[in-house]
Amino acid sequence: EVQLVESGGGLVQPGGSLRLSCGASGFTFSDYPMHWVRQAPGKGLESVSTISGLGGTTFYADSVKGRFTISRDNSKNTVYLQMGSLRPEDMGVYYCARRASDGLDIWGQGTMVTVSS
Amino acid sequence: DIQLTQSPSFLSASVGDRVTITCRASQGVGSDLAWYQQKPGKAPNLLIYYTSTLQSGVPSRFSGSRSGTGFTLTITSLQPEDFATYYCQQLNAYPYTFGQGTKLETK
Repeated sequence: EVQLVESGGGLVQPGGSLRLSCGASGFTFSDYPMHWVRQAPGKGLESVSTISGLGGTTFYADSVKGRFTISRDNSKNTVYLQMGSLRPEDMGVYYCARRASDGLDIWGQGTMVTVSS
Repeated sequence: DIQLTQSPSFLSASVGDRVTITCRASQGVGSDLAWYQQKPGKAPNLLIYYTSTLQSGVPSRFSGSRSGTGFTLTITSLQPEDFATYYCQQLNAYPYTFGQGTKLETK
């Protein structure tokens, strides 16, 4: 079964750090670019970061540039999002998603990040 | 960044209705536009990609089209399971922006 499973979310104080992980199974992981998309409580979807299949190309939304780092370990079928200098506006559900063709076709269940003192 | 504006933001309809949601891009995105359905507490689900290609397993009552920088998602004969929030996304240029969403509610 093709599947993505996120982990690593939780409660963190403003200014703190957190590392999210997304484990993949059921497909050739290195063949696909991977995305992190977040959703603040009651709000819409925001594309946060993207990494190419072999990890050589990355992209960040302006809102997280310089604070978040995306990476992947294709030997472990895992993509990571290292988040630093966290702000209250970073709070929300973080989804990882696989890009295939011209859409994000497989999504994880999401992991909640809460930024609060 | 490319802005995507969806209309309407809220839509009330009944089972059996035909509904249309529009997504307009602030600049050209070619045909690189996808539509997603999201139900409360769940991850989004890809419905349509490349403007009009139906994702595997998606019912044929869903369809997509384009006219210039305007894109349309049409649902013919609404079913109870279709009441959800719908988002468009452009995949033409980074950042891959989303529309603000359209919440489809039962009338």
